[in-house]
Amino acid sequence: AQTVTQSQPEMSVQEAETVTLSCTYDTSESDYYLFWYKQPPSRQMILVIRQEAYKQQNATENRFSVNFQKAAKSFSLKISDSQLGDAAMYFCAYSFAGGTSYGKLTFGQGTILTVHP
Amino acid sequence: DTEVTQTPKHLVMGMTNKKSLKCEQHMGHRAMYWYKQKAKKPPELMFVYSYEKLSINESVPSRFSPECPNSSLLNLHLHALQPEDSALYLCASSQADRGAYEQYFGPGTRLTVT
Repeated sequence: AQTVTQSQPEMSVQEAETVTLSCTYDTSESDYYLFWYKQPPSRQMILVIRQEAYKQQNATENRFSVNFQKAAKSFSLKISDSQLGDAAMYFCAYSFAGGTSYGKLTFGQGTILTVHP
Repeated sequence: DTEVTQTPKHLVMGMTNKKSLKCEQHMGHRAMYWYKQKAKKPPELMFVYSYEKLSINESVPSRFSPECPNSSLLNLHLHALQPEDSALYLCASSQADRGAYEQYFGPGTRLTVT
């Protein structure tokens, strides 16, 4: 069974600084996808970034980038130039890519990110 | 339109009531999901519908009954719930054809069982 581990229950960062959230996963599959989702307090969960396991290049979306280390099964999220609006619970998630016509997400336990002005 | 809508936003019900949660998407997605989320915890998958057919039931108690009337709508019928069922219920949708596609989440229904 796949597992996703986020070892940092809480993190904090000063506005405009950079923070990295950690995620490790365990799978025996070779074709899978990894995601970071953001859930602000009392607001909707939204996708931050997506990484395809077969791509060596790390995904980037504006101020958000990942460090994907496939051999180490590590998938960290770097937030640059942190903004107050980045404060949220961040979930790392895994999805096996093949075999079914739907995705079954395995979530980590989440990291609460606080941004200080 | 990349929106998943859920109604109602809040619901308070007694243990003998029957109520329904509704989810709608118009993105043409053929996979739809129900999750239960407790405070400061990740969402827990309850049900998956793929092409309007129930594909996954994660051993959810029968007091929760899902329904997918068409490709845009997903309902969750509630009956004889317990206080421990109080939670945020999230609906999500995605393209079908493998698990490669990101799921789009609705804002959720916050359910309180008294």
